[in-house]
Amino acid sequence: SQTIHQWPATLVQPVGSPLSLECTVEGTSNPNLYWYRQAAGRGLQLLFYSVGIGQISSEVPQNLSASRPQDRQFILSSKKLLLSDSGFYLCAWISRIRGTEAFFGQGTRLTVV
Amino acid sequence: ILNVEQSPQSLHVQEGDSTNFTCSFPSSNFYALHWYRWETAKSPEALFVMTLNGDEKKKGRISATLNTKEGYSYLYIKGSQPEDSATYLCAPRDHGGNKLTFGTGTQLKVEL
Repeated sequence: SQTIHQWPATLVQPVGSPLSLECTVEGTSNPNLYWYRQAAGRGLQLLFYSVGIGQISSEVPQNLSASRPQDRQFILSSKKLLLSDSGFYLCAWISRIRGTEAFFGQGTRLTVV
Repeated sequence: ILNVEQSPQSLHVQEGDSTNFTCSFPSSNFYALHWYRWETAKSPEALFVMTLNGDEKKKGRISATLNTKEGYSYLYIKGSQPEDSATYLCAPRDHGGNKLTFGTGTQLKVEL
């Protein structure tokens, strides 16, 4: 069966520090991968998505970046965090089959102080 | 897909009431329409994935319809219960199936 792992669950980081959130998927191959963020009081905003190794589409200009070094690994990074980067980050995957649902990681609560 | 709108933004109903929400999305480049139930700081839970114009799907007291020609979907909850309290998100998946963009959601609160 397919599973998705996202870590860490919570993170408190000072302003200006780097960030690395990792997401891995098991039990499937060649998935579409996504990073979303919920800022306080807002919905789920699409940050990045990837359709293959090394292929990243960015939806929102910001100081975050994403990478997909392996088929089932998706990494969200920042060189210098801002206070506005605080929020709840979710990784998700979906297969190429049209009628299938997306599966989400457990999320990372990031607080930038 | 640039513009996914959900209405109302929030809703308070009494236990036993029936309610419905709307999701509007651009009708061009349609691939699929997803509905999720989401409690803040948790993983969204899939309710329906709809792909065909005129689709109607049902899961227990919750059902959904889809109109791809005019770009909208309705979610219905019959006999609301307190455990239905959550945010309901719709997400159109664009042509080619690569981008999955969520609306801002409808926050439902069911009171005793």
